[in-house]
Amino acid sequence: DTGVSQDPRHKITKRGQNVTFRCDPISEHNRLYWYRQTLGQGPEFLTYFQNEAQLEKSRLLSDRFSAERPKGSFSTLEIQRTEQGDSAMYLCASSLLLSRDTEAFFGQGTRLTVV
Amino acid sequence: KQEVTQIPAALSVPEGENLVLNCSFTDSAIYNLQWFRQDPGKGLTSLLLIQSSQREQTSGRLNASLDKSSGRSTLYIAASQPGDSATYLCAVKAQGAQKLVFGQGTRLTINP
Repeated sequence: DTGVSQDPRHKITKRGQNVTFRCDPISEHNRLYWYRQTLGQGPEFLTYFQNEAQLEKSRLLSDRFSAERPKGSFSTLEIQRTEQGDSAMYLCASSLLLSRDTEAFFGQGTRLTVV
Repeated sequence: KQEVTQIPAALSVPEGENLVLNCSFTDSAIYNLQWFRQDPGKGLTSLLLIQSSQREQTSGRLNASLDKSSGRSTLYIAASQPGDSATYLCAVKAQGAQKLVFGQGTRLTINP
């Protein structure tokens, strides 16, 4: 499978615990995005990377959230001290920087449930 | 601030019908518009990408149109099938931005 891969697919955690998600983009894609989607809503932008540089962060990304893309390949999204409001689907997407009009491809998402 | 709206929120039609899903956006200064399909509990599958300079794109039974000046896009599905049942999302990339701004989606059910 050469698409965007996310791991794990599902995560159940207790409130207050830390969780980390991983995203492997399409191999030649240099842009990587994280989105969050709650039930019945469209995805909302969290942050994006161009290669290893984090170029934009949403106000939704509180100080409990941190994302990295250390070698410009895979990325991790960590949530510290999880809260019930963090329960959502976390989606990763990637695209290739050729021009401004490039298609974004999404992974299957990580479903987080905070109990 | 760019806002994207999709109407209706849900749609149920019998198999074989042609149908249109609507998407509107508030700021016409966009780079592109993308339509996605999402099955329950799954990620997003890209269906069509329309560049800002284009009026429409076609893929199989799907046709998407874009009218930037009026801030509207439509997704036309011909000869609908039960396998088309899913949530359809539209998203725009504004000029000067890298993120996609999504609508809330239209939940489509095709009845056999």
